[in-house]
Amino acid sequence: EVQLLESGGGLEQPGGSLRLSCAASGFTFSIYAMSWVRQAPGKGLQWVSAISGSGASTYYADSVKGRFTISRDNSMNTLYLQMNSLRAEDTAVYYCAKGGVGATGGMDVWGQGTTVTVSS
Amino acid sequence: QSVLTQPPSVSAAPGQKVTISCSGSTSTIGNNYVSWYQQLPGTAPKLLIYDNNKRPSGIPDRFSGSKSGTSATLGITGLQTGDEADYHCGTWDSSLSAWVFGGGTKLTVL
Repeated sequence: EVQLLESGGGLEQPGGSLRLSCAASGFTFSIYAMSWVRQAPGKGLQWVSAISGSGASTYYADSVKGRFTISRDNSMNTLYLQMNSLRAEDTAVYYCAKGGVGATGGMDVWGQGTTVTVSS
Repeated sequence: QSVLTQPPSVSAAPGQKVTISCSGSTSTIGNNYVSWYQQLPGTAPKLLIYDNNKRPSGIPDRFSGSKSGTSATLGITGLQTGDEADYHCGTWDSSLSAWVFGGGTKLTVL
């Protein structure tokens, strides 16, 4: 069964850091691009970042550029999002998704999400 | 303000048909495939339509997608109460090298 399982969310103060992880199973992780998408309470989906299958290419939304870093460990089938200089507006449920570099195929598998709350 | 524009809400009676629009630009919908996502209350999004009009395995043919120019449309026929959800369109923005979503449309089955 194809599955994505996020972890690492929690409560953090403004200016703090968190690292999210997404464990993948059931597919050949290394050949697929992966993405992070977030959803603030009561709001729509907001794309955050994406990375190519090899990890050589990364992409970021303007709102997180310079603060967040996406990476992957293909030997561990795991995707990461390092979030620094957190702001209140980063409060959201963070989903990892399979796909998302280029539009072909869409994002065809989603995790259940992990909640990040930034508050003092 | 989302890059893709969707109506905030639509509604229809059980058994009826509804369409949800998604409007973009040349750099988004005009030059890229569109996908649609269904998000049932309290759950993660699920891919409903990809590459404008293709359905993943397990998605019933009551759901359809189309694209014309810089707009796309999701159609749902034979509405059921279980279709009540938020529907999001998405695509790649070739100018930004970024994925973009619409603001989402809440479907109510009256």
